Amino acid sequence: AQKVTQAQTEISVVEKEDVTLDCVYETRDTTYYLFWYKQPPSGELVFLIRRNSFDEQNEISGRYSWNFQKSTSSFNFTITASQVVDSAVYFCALRRFNSGYALNFGKGTSLLVTP
Amino acid sequence: SAVISQKPSRDICQRGTSLTIQCQVDSQVTMMFWYRQQPGQSLTLIATANQGSEATYESGFVIDKFPISRPNLTFSTLTVSNMSPEDSSIYLCSVEDGTGSNYGYTFGSGTRLTVV
Repeated sequence: AQKVTQAQTEISVVEKEDVTLDCVYETRDTTYYLFWYKQPPSGELVFLIRRNSFDEQNEISGRYSWNFQKSTSSFNFTITASQVVDSAVYFCALRRFNSGYALNFGKGTSLLVTP
Repeated sequence: SAVISQKPSRDICQRGTSLTIQCQVDSQVTMMFWYRQQPGQSLTLIATANQGSEATYESGFVIDKFPISRPNLTFSTLTVSNMSPEDSSIYLCSVEDGTGSNYGYTFGSGTRLTVV
């Protein structure tokens, strides 16, 4: 089975705090892709990052960083110095290797950043 | 990456009626995916639509309720039939596109459906 678990349902932080969103995945495939998406209140899905199973390098993009660890099947997302505009629901997703390669989404983590 | 035009963006419908949602992609794609996002929930795959064959539905979704057409490689429709308030959700289409460092998934802007 392929499964994504985002155990944190809601997180509330004060602006400028750092926050880490957890994602644990389960798959029997040796090759797989993981994604993070942001869904602001307006509803559209915004792509943040893709990581494939061959590449365990951590990634940093501005205030965003991702820690991919195959040993613990985790792909965690950290926002440094959070801002109010970061308030959104964040989804971690795993690409299937059946059913036409659709994405399996985690339940999402709702992040609220207050001034 | 591909650009998807999804229509309508929102609608309010009477129970018992049907709504057809359209997705137009600006490039040819093999697979199109339809998702449902119920209020406050995650995205759940409804079906995968391959051009020239019947869509493949996920457990819990049936063709009579969610018929899908895929007449060509750039277009697909999802119909929500005989609607009830429980069908109130955001419906999104998606395609897999790009290769190498540009590989990913593009989503339509969603159709926010309210059934009254």
